[in-house]
Parts: sequence; C-alpha cells; structure tokens
Amino acid sequence: QVQLVQSGAEVKKPGSSVKVSCRASGGTFSDYGLSWVRQAPGQGLEWMGRIIPFVDITNYAHNLLGRVTITADKSTSTAYMELSSLRSEDTAVYYCASDLLTAAGSLEYWGQGTLVTVS
Amino acid sequence: DIQMTQSPSSLSASVGDRVTITCRASQDMSNSLAWYQQKPGKAPKVLVYAASRLESGVPSRFSGSRSGTDYTLTISSLQPEDFATYYCKQYYTTPWTFGQGSKLEIK
Repeated sequence: QVQLVQSGAEVKKPGSSVKVSCRASGGTFSDYGLSWVRQAPGQGLEWMGRIIPFVDITNYAHNLLGRVTITADKSTSTAYMELSSLRSEDTAVYYCASDLLTAAGSLEYWGQGTLVTVS
Repeated sequence: DIQMTQSPSSLSASVGDRVTITCRASQDMSNSLAWYQQKPGKAPKVLVYAASRLESGVPSRFSGSRSGTDYTLTISSLQPEDFATYYCKQYYTTPWTFGQGSKLEIK
C-alpha cells in the first residue's frame, strides 16, 4: 500500500513561487509515475504534469509550460512540484497521485492535498 | 490536446436508480480512460481504468464501457455513499485531460 504525504498549506504573494513536496512510502519508488493534479475552489480537476522518477522523464500541461517544474529525489522517494509567477488563479488544492508503470494512467494513490493560497 | 466532453454536469437521482455518465473524446483513445469519484474535501478515488476494468475493491454496481469515442460510467443501483462528483480522465497521450465533472445529487 503506497502512501503519499504532502507538505503543508502555503500562502504566497502574486509573482512569487511555491514548491510542494510529496513523499512516498510503502512501495518501490521506481515502479511509479507521479502526477500533480490541482483543483481550484469549487472547480474541477486539472492535470498539471507527471514525472517518471526511474528515467527522469517529465510531461506537462501545455497551459502551464514554463511555469511548472516537477522533479523527484529517488534517494528520499520524494517528488516536488514548483509553480512560479503565481497569480490569484493558482489558488487551489494541489494533489500528488501515483500510477503504477505497468498500469500507467490509473492514478491509484493520492496525497492528502496541499492548499496553496495566492493573495 | 485531447478534449473530454463530459455530460451531464449535474444530475439528481434516488437510491436504487440506475445512472449513466458519459465522456466524449475529441479523438480515438483506444480505451485509455479512467473514471474517478470525488467526495467533498477528499482526494479523488479511481473506480475504473482501461475504460471497463474495475479497480480492486470497487463495488460491482459500477461499470465502464466504450462505444467509439464515447465512454460511459454506469452505476446500476445507487447507494447513499455514491452521491459525489465523478470525473473521466484520458491517459492516451500527454497532456492527460479530465472531463469537467458530473455532480450526482440526491433527489
């Protein structure tokens, strides 16, 4: 059973950056891809991007290209999502979620979510 | 990007009803679709992947199907715990994209 534990809530000023962490336990880090999904207040789910730590390959949503960076530290089984040039529309709950590479695409395990407020 | 058009955006139903939610993809996706259930204040939970495969532990009243570029989630007999918001998501190609969501409320 994989557990994903995210860092705590953040309040940021417009124009600044935020970096959210997601530490995985209970599984083999190299067996998974890790996605970041966000949800603005009262809105739907938005996939932001994904990293496959085993090969360090990343993919991003086109509307966030240039502002979002996803990285992973295999030594600590932790993924990071950094979002820069923050604006009020980036206020959201940010989730990390994992998919087993042999069943890629099914986000089976989710973190508890991190609220980022831009104000 | 593949666009996912989900309908309806909201629906009301009663316990015991049969409910269907549909996602139409903007192109062929070869069954690369998952369905998620989300309850208020909680992270989403995967129900179905590969269009019709039930995630382990998900009740058999949930099912998924595909007809061309239309994908359907069916709940055969609604239970009180099924009232939630449902999302489809394609993973055929990056960027992965979610449907807009369907909020299922008690009638």
